[in-house]
Amino acid sequence: GAGVSQSPSNKVTEKGKDVELRCDPISGHTALYWYRQSLGQGLEFLIYFQGNSAPDKSGLPSDRFSAERTGGSVSTLTIQRTQQEDSAVYLCASTPGAALYGYTFGSGTRLTVV
Amino acid sequence: SQQGEEDPQALSIQEGENATMNCSYKTSINNLQWYRQNSGRGLVHLILIRSNEREKHSGRLRVTLDTSKKSSSLLITASRAADTASYFCATNFGNEKLTFGTGTRLTIIP
Repeated sequence: GAGVSQSPSNKVTEKGKDVELRCDPISGHTALYWYRQSLGQGLEFLIYFQGNSAPDKSGLPSDRFSAERTGGSVSTLTIQRTQQEDSAVYLCASTPGAALYGYTFGSGTRLTVV
Repeated sequence: SQQGEEDPQALSIQEGENATMNCSYKTSINNLQWYRQNSGRGLVHLILIRSNEREKHSGRLRVTLDTSKKSSSLLITASRAADTASYFCATNFGNEKLTFGTGTRLTIIP
């Protein structure tokens, strides 16, 4: 597609429920990143996919968080048993390959856990 | 932490004036990038400067990089109301992902 697409745009969920966030990167971009941004804060790295290599999961805050990337394209970030501190904007970005290029970001998913 | 830190945290200027934001970081980098964020959503890439470059221009934007001081500055000339946004620096340390700073909130007063 022309840009990075994220869905849903907004998600309100009850504490303890599982949520899935979707990212559709730019076609042909081999690198895909997930970040999250709490209100008024900077971006916190979560996970990075590059081609067929094993993902860099070093930023995932707990084992409730997981992500996959199918067929080198669409990625899904799953948060199990959501907590209120998970409330944030979750941002996805892609590049043609690695951080030697500028990221193209999606518009994000605003997650609110009530 | 390898995080970049922007300074100031917030800046308000009159339309038409120049705005300068600074970024400091802690370790050697491959490149440094600046991004703009409107309304707390997706970030837009503005400019990338490599570690062997000292200055780069793009339209009304001028970025400098001083690797000896581990710092960068972003200058926006002839500011416009549409420049109101948060600006983030991000650094690449060679490990394939960017580390973002905490941002500068810029407000342009018409």
